[in-house]
Amino acid sequence: QLQLQESGSGLVKPSQTLSLTCAVSGGSISSGGYSWSWIRQTPGKGLEWLAYFYHGGSTYSNPSLKSRVTISEDTSKNQFSLRLTSVTAADTAVYYCARAGGNVTSNNWFDPWGQGTLVTVSS
Amino acid sequence: QSVLTQPPSVSGAPGQRVIISCTGSSTNIGAGYDVHWYQQIPGTAPKVLIFGNTNRPSGVPDRFSGSKSGTSASLAITGLQAEDEADYYCQSYDSSLSVWVFGGGTRLTVL
Repeated sequence: QLQLQESGSGLVKPSQTLSLTCAVSGGSISSGGYSWSWIRQTPGKGLEWLAYFYHGGSTYSNPSLKSRVTISEDTSKNQFSLRLTSVTAADTAVYYCARAGGNVTSNNWFDPWGQGTLVTVSS
Repeated sequence: QSVLTQPPSVSGAPGQRVIISCTGSSTNIGAGYDVHWYQQIPGTAPKVLIFGNTNRPSGVPDRFSGSKSGTSASLAITGLQAEDEADYYCQSYDSSLSVWVFGGGTRLTVL
């Protein structure tokens, strides 16, 4: 059974960089046909998709983040990461990693999700 | 303001049927993109309930069903049970924003 687990800094100072890792078990991020994403959830904005990658291929991030976000993979550790630069209080959220599946990327759905990790931006 | 609009809350008595709507536009649901539904028990991660408009993953009871028409989609839950009390979210793709988008969520209360 595929499982995802987020880890990283729970408290980040304003203007600094948020870094999170998603460890994948029960399957490989090198598997074809799936993409891997980061999604966050806040009480105010709800669920917001941030970025995705396909193993060895394309990456794409939410244009609203204005190039602050980077997603990358580490196949040797079967994990992938998120970096979000120049954070503000608005970036305080629960961050989830998830696998996306489906025949057509635009019609992908997210399953499964990690348990989520709370990141607070505060000085 | 979410791109996909859901009612903030719905409620029903055990055994009853409730419907949760998800209204989009011509750049997402109306453009033909699939709608997916998630259930989130507070304090846990969302779990897919319906994918590809009408399909249930294995393990999801057939009390849950999805439909789509025009620029809207709906999640129907029949035979309401106390364990169905949760937040429900719809998700699709928006070609104008070039991102996957979610509804604002609907809190289901079982009376």
